[in-house]
Amino acid sequence: ETGVTQTPRHLVMGMTNKKSLKCEQHLGHNAMYWYKQSAKKPLELMFVYSLEERVENNSVPSRFSPECPNSSHLFLHLHTLQPEDSALYLCASSQDRLAGVTDTQYFGPGTRLTVL
Amino acid sequence: AQRVTQPEKLLSVFKGAPVELKCNYSYSGSPELFWYVQYSRQRLQLLLRHISRESIKGFTADLNKGETSFHLKKPFAQEEDSAMYYCALFNAGNMLTFGGGTRLMVKP
Repeated sequence: ETGVTQTPRHLVMGMTNKKSLKCEQHLGHNAMYWYKQSAKKPLELMFVYSLEERVENNSVPSRFSPECPNSSHLFLHLHTLQPEDSALYLCASSQDRLAGVTDTQYFGPGTRLTVL
Repeated sequence: AQRVTQPEKLLSVFKGAPVELKCNYSYSGSPELFWYVQYSRQRLQLLLRHISRESIKGFTADLNKGETSFHLKKPFAQEEDSAMYYCALFNAGNMLTFGGGTRLMVKP
Protein backbone atom coordinates (compact mmCIF):
# COMPACT_ATOMS: atom_id res chain seq x y z
CA GLU A 1 0.00 0.00 0.00
CA THR A 2 1.26 3.46 -0.82
CA GLY A 3 1.12 6.58 1.32
CA VAL A 4 0.79 6.66 5.07
CA THR A 5 -0.88 3.78 6.92
CA GLN A 6 -1.94 3.49 10.53
CA THR A 7 -2.95 0.52 12.63
CA PRO A 8 -5.20 -0.18 14.33
CA ARG A 9 -7.96 2.02 12.91
CA HIS A 10 -10.00 1.71 16.10
CA LEU A 11 -8.84 0.96 19.64
CA VAL A 12 -10.73 0.69 22.90
CA MET A 13 -8.66 0.39 26.04
CA GLY A 14 -8.98 0.64 29.78
CA MET A 15 -7.04 3.10 31.86
CA THR A 16 -4.68 0.41 33.11
CA ASN A 17 -3.90 -1.08 29.70
CA LYS A 18 -0.76 -0.66 27.64
CA LYS A 19 -1.18 -0.41 23.89
CA SER A 20 0.72 0.93 20.89
CA LEU A 21 -0.30 2.78 17.76
CA LYS A 22 1.67 2.12 14.61
CA CYS A 23 2.33 4.36 11.62
CA GLU A 24 4.15 3.42 8.45
CA GLN A 25 4.97 5.62 5.49
CA HIS A 26 5.85 4.36 2.03
CA LEU A 27 6.82 7.72 0.58
CA GLY A 28 10.54 7.79 1.34
CA HIS A 29 10.07 10.74 3.69
CA ASN A 30 12.48 11.73 6.45
CA ALA A 31 10.11 13.40 8.90
CA MET A 32 7.14 11.92 10.76
CA TYR A 33 4.59 13.47 13.08
CA TRP A 34 1.94 12.51 15.62
CA TYR A 35 -1.16 14.71 15.91
CA LYS A 36 -4.17 14.53 18.20
CA GLN A 37 -7.61 15.57 17.02
CA SER A 38 -10.14 15.91 19.81
CA ALA A 39 -13.81 16.52 19.22
CA LYS A 40 -13.81 20.17 20.21
CA LYS A 41 -10.25 21.32 19.58
CA PRO A 42 -8.04 22.10 16.60
CA LEU A 43 -5.48 19.57 15.51
CA GLU A 44 -2.68 19.42 18.08
CA LEU A 45 0.87 18.56 17.16
CA MET A 46 2.30 16.07 19.66
CA PHE A 47 5.69 14.87 18.43
CA VAL A 48 8.00 15.39 15.48
CA TYR A 49 10.75 13.07 14.32
CA SER A 50 13.32 14.00 11.73
CA LEU A 51 15.75 11.34 10.54
CA GLU A 52 14.63 9.15 13.46
CA GLU A 53 15.50 11.80 16.02
CA ARG A 54 12.81 13.47 18.11
CA VAL A 55 13.00 17.16 17.39
CA GLU A 56 9.85 18.40 19.02
CA ASN A 57 7.69 17.44 21.97
CA ASN A 58 4.81 19.80 22.57
CA SER A 59 4.27 19.34 26.31
CA VAL A 60 2.73 15.94 25.89
CA PRO A 61 2.14 13.93 29.09
CA SER A 62 4.57 11.10 29.73
CA ARG A 63 1.80 8.51 29.40
CA PHE A 64 2.34 9.00 25.65
CA SER A 65 5.71 7.64 24.55
CA PRO A 66 6.78 7.86 20.89
CA GLU A 67 9.30 5.63 19.18
CA CYS A 68 10.83 5.95 15.73
CA PRO A 69 13.00 2.90 14.97
CA ASN A 70 13.60 3.97 11.37
CA SER A 71 12.45 6.66 8.97
CA SER A 72 9.51 4.56 7.75
CA HIS A 73 7.97 3.60 11.07
CA LEU A 74 6.59 5.56 13.99
CA PHE A 75 4.96 4.22 17.12
CA LEU A 76 3.00 5.83 19.91
CA HIS A 77 3.09 3.76 23.09
CA LEU A 78 0.18 4.33 25.45
CA HIS A 79 -0.03 3.50 29.15
CA THR A 80 -2.31 4.53 32.00
CA LEU A 81 -4.34 6.82 29.78
CA GLN A 82 -7.28 8.91 30.92
CA PRO A 83 -10.75 9.12 29.39
CA GLU A 84 -9.96 12.62 28.14
CA ASP A 85 -7.23 11.10 25.97
CA SER A 86 -9.96 9.64 23.76
CA ALA A 87 -9.44 11.20 20.35
CA LEU A 88 -8.37 10.60 16.78
CA TYR A 89 -4.60 10.21 16.54
CA LEU A 90 -3.18 11.13 13.18
CA CYS A 91 0.23 10.31 11.81
CA ALA A 92 1.82 12.35 9.04
CA SER A 93 5.06 12.43 7.11
CA SER A 94 6.91 14.94 5.00
CA GLN A 95 9.93 14.86 2.77
CA ASP A 96 12.21 16.71 5.13
CA ARG A 97 11.33 18.82 8.16
CA LEU A 98 14.45 20.88 7.70
CA ALA A 99 13.78 21.70 4.06
CA GLY A 100 14.13 25.31 3.18
CA VAL A 101 10.90 25.31 1.25
CA THR A 102 7.35 24.65 2.26
CA ASP A 103 6.96 20.96 2.85
CA THR A 104 3.61 19.29 2.48
CA GLN A 105 2.58 16.79 5.11
CA TYR A 106 0.78 13.63 4.10
CA PHE A 107 -1.61 12.18 6.64
CA GLY A 108 -2.64 8.67 7.54
CA PRO A 109 -6.29 7.75 8.15
CA GLY A 110 -5.90 7.98 11.92
CA THR A 111 -6.59 5.71 14.87
CA ARG A 112 -9.82 6.34 16.75
CA LEU A 113 -8.92 5.77 20.41
CA THR A 114 -11.48 5.35 23.17
CA VAL A 115 -10.30 5.16 26.78
CA LEU A 116 -12.82 3.68 29.18
CA ALA B 1 2.96 33.19 18.05
CA GLN B 2 1.11 32.16 14.93
CA ARG B 3 -2.58 31.43 15.04
CA VAL B 4 -5.17 30.23 12.54
CA THR B 5 -8.82 31.03 13.11
CA GLN B 6 -11.81 29.57 11.33
CA PRO B 7 -14.76 31.46 12.80
CA GLU B 8 -17.49 29.13 11.55
CA LYS B 9 -17.70 25.63 12.98
CA LEU B 10 -20.58 24.73 10.69
CA LEU B 11 -21.58 26.10 7.30
CA SER B 12 -24.73 24.83 5.63
CA VAL B 13 -25.63 25.73 2.04
CA PHE B 14 -27.86 24.39 -0.70
CA LYS B 15 -26.49 22.64 -3.77
CA GLY B 16 -25.53 25.16 -6.43
CA ALA B 17 -25.08 28.01 -3.97
CA PRO B 18 -21.75 29.80 -3.58
CA VAL B 19 -19.54 28.77 -0.69
CA GLU B 20 -16.97 30.73 1.28
CA LEU B 21 -15.13 29.17 4.20
CA LYS B 22 -13.33 31.81 6.20
CA CYS B 23 -9.81 31.60 7.49
CA ASN B 24 -7.85 34.32 9.27
CA TYR B 25 -4.32 34.06 10.50
CA SER B 26 -1.81 35.89 12.61
CA TYR B 27 1.84 35.46 11.81
CA SER B 28 4.79 37.82 11.84
CA GLY B 29 6.63 36.33 8.88
CA SER B 30 5.67 35.48 5.32
CA PRO B 31 2.93 32.88 5.58
CA GLU B 32 2.53 29.72 3.61
CA LEU B 33 -1.11 28.71 3.79
CA PHE B 34 -2.99 25.53 2.98
CA TRP B 35 -6.47 24.11 2.97
CA TYR B 36 -6.92 20.47 4.02
CA VAL B 37 -10.14 18.50 3.65
CA GLN B 38 -11.45 15.41 5.41
CA TYR B 39 -14.38 13.63 3.79
CA SER B 40 -16.48 11.28 5.87
CA ARG B 41 -14.56 8.12 6.76
CA GLN B 42 -11.52 9.24 4.79
CA ARG B 43 -8.13 10.54 5.76
CA LEU B 44 -7.15 14.16 5.92
CA GLN B 45 -5.83 15.29 2.54
CA LEU B 46 -4.37 18.41 1.04
CA LEU B 47 -6.88 20.44 -0.98
CA LEU B 48 -4.75 23.34 -2.11
CA ARG B 49 -1.83 25.58 -1.17
CA HIS B 50 -1.65 29.27 -1.87
CA ILE B 51 1.76 29.25 -3.55
CA SER B 52 0.53 27.01 -6.34
CA ARG B 53 -2.41 29.29 -7.12
CA GLU B 54 -4.36 26.40 -8.58
CA SER B 55 -8.02 25.41 -8.44
CA ILE B 56 -8.83 21.99 -7.06
CA LYS B 57 -12.33 20.56 -7.42
CA GLY B 58 -13.54 24.05 -8.28
CA PHE B 59 -12.20 25.56 -5.05
CA THR B 60 -9.93 28.58 -4.98
CA ALA B 61 -8.32 30.54 -2.18
CA ASP B 62 -6.54 33.88 -2.37
CA LEU B 63 -4.08 35.06 0.21
CA ASN B 64 -4.96 38.59 1.36
CA LYS B 65 -2.06 39.86 3.42
CA GLY B 66 -3.80 43.14 4.20
CA GLU B 67 -6.71 41.37 5.82
CA THR B 68 -4.59 38.37 6.91
CA SER B 69 -7.12 36.05 5.37
CA PHE B 70 -7.09 32.95 3.18
CA HIS B 71 -10.76 32.25 2.52
CA LEU B 72 -11.76 29.16 0.53
CA LYS B 73 -14.36 29.74 -2.18
CA LYS B 74 -16.39 27.78 -4.67
CA PRO B 75 -19.02 29.37 -6.93
CA PHE B 76 -21.41 26.40 -7.03
CA ALA B 77 -21.40 23.90 -4.15
CA GLN B 78 -21.95 20.21 -4.79
CA GLU B 79 -23.24 17.59 -2.36
CA GLU B 80 -19.92 15.76 -2.55
CA ASP B 81 -18.21 18.86 -1.16
CA SER B 82 -19.70 18.08 2.25
CA ALA B 83 -16.70 17.53 4.52
CA MET B 84 -14.56 19.00 7.26
CA TYR B 85 -12.21 21.72 6.04
CA TYR B 86 -9.07 22.84 7.86
CA CYS B 87 -7.03 25.93 7.15
CA ALA B 88 -3.35 25.59 8.05
CA LEU B 89 -0.32 27.85 8.27
CA PHE B 90 3.24 26.73 7.69
CA ASN B 91 5.45 28.45 10.23
CA ALA B 92 9.13 29.27 10.57
CA GLY B 93 9.78 25.97 12.31
CA ASN B 94 8.51 24.10 9.26
CA MET B 95 5.45 23.04 11.20
CA LEU B 96 1.81 23.29 10.29
CA THR B 97 -0.59 25.09 12.62
CA PHE B 98 -4.21 24.16 12.01
CA GLY B 99 -7.39 26.10 12.55
CA GLY B 100 -10.33 24.57 14.36
CA GLY B 101 -12.00 23.40 11.17
CA THR B 102 -15.32 24.15 9.49
CA ARG B 103 -17.86 21.48 8.70
CA LEU B 104 -19.47 22.17 5.34
CA MET B 105 -22.87 20.64 4.69
CA VAL B 106 -24.29 20.91 1.19
CA LYS B 107 -27.99 20.16 1.12
CA PRO B 108 -29.80 18.85 -1.98
